[in-house]
Amino acid sequence: LAKTTQPISMDSYEGQEVNITCSHNNIATNDYITWYQQFPSQGPRFIIQGYKTKVTNEVASLFIPADRKSSTLSLPRVSLSDTAVYYCLVVRSNDYKLSFGAGTTVTVRA
Amino acid sequence: NAGVTQTPKFQVLKTGQSMTLQCAQDMNHNSMYWYRQDPGMGLRLIYYSASEGTTDKGEVPNGYNVSRLNKREFSLRLESAAPSQTSVYFCASSESSASSNQPQHFGDGTRLSIL
Repeated sequence: LAKTTQPISMDSYEGQEVNITCSHNNIATNDYITWYQQFPSQGPRFIIQGYKTKVTNEVASLFIPADRKSSTLSLPRVSLSDTAVYYCLVVRSNDYKLSFGAGTTVTVRA
Repeated sequence: NAGVTQTPKFQVLKTGQSMTLQCAQDMNHNSMYWYRQDPGMGLRLIYYSASEGTTDKGEVPNGYNVSRLNKREFSLRLESAAPSQTSVYFCASSESSASSNQPQHFGDGTRLSIL
């Protein structure tokens, strides 16, 4: 399993951009990088997924350098409702087993 | 548009009691998963079912059994509950686990306390 490392917590203010970097040194060639968001008393919710370079959707952007040993989730102009735990996940292409780390708790203040 | 539905939402058991957690999905997904979430430890995979009729162990299978009843339903059973199994349990599904780019969709969890 590709182990991921991400910061335990980050603080921000409304309207700012939040960038969370995840390290995954053992990522394999066909693995994808996936990010989830979790609010209290809810299950994780898929945010974005990528393989290389940059992926953008209506919620976030995901930046992946050429060596793919890390990735950065970017949340533009956060609001109070973006306060949540964010998980970085690397899924092996030949193994169904998944592993979530402890995640990054993002707190957005007014 | 229910997605993944888990029942019950809350449960308190005594040590040694048995319990089945139910999970159903209405997205016609092939693969289903059970996780447990403990404080500071993220989610850990208990069991998964890549397709109807198959089940496999995940990271922490001891003390649990599963049944893939049909394509929609995947249940988790605790035969003899122990306090160490106090946790929040999440069920998830995905179109297929054969490819790593299939995101999982989660239910809202079952909060289980064992006294």
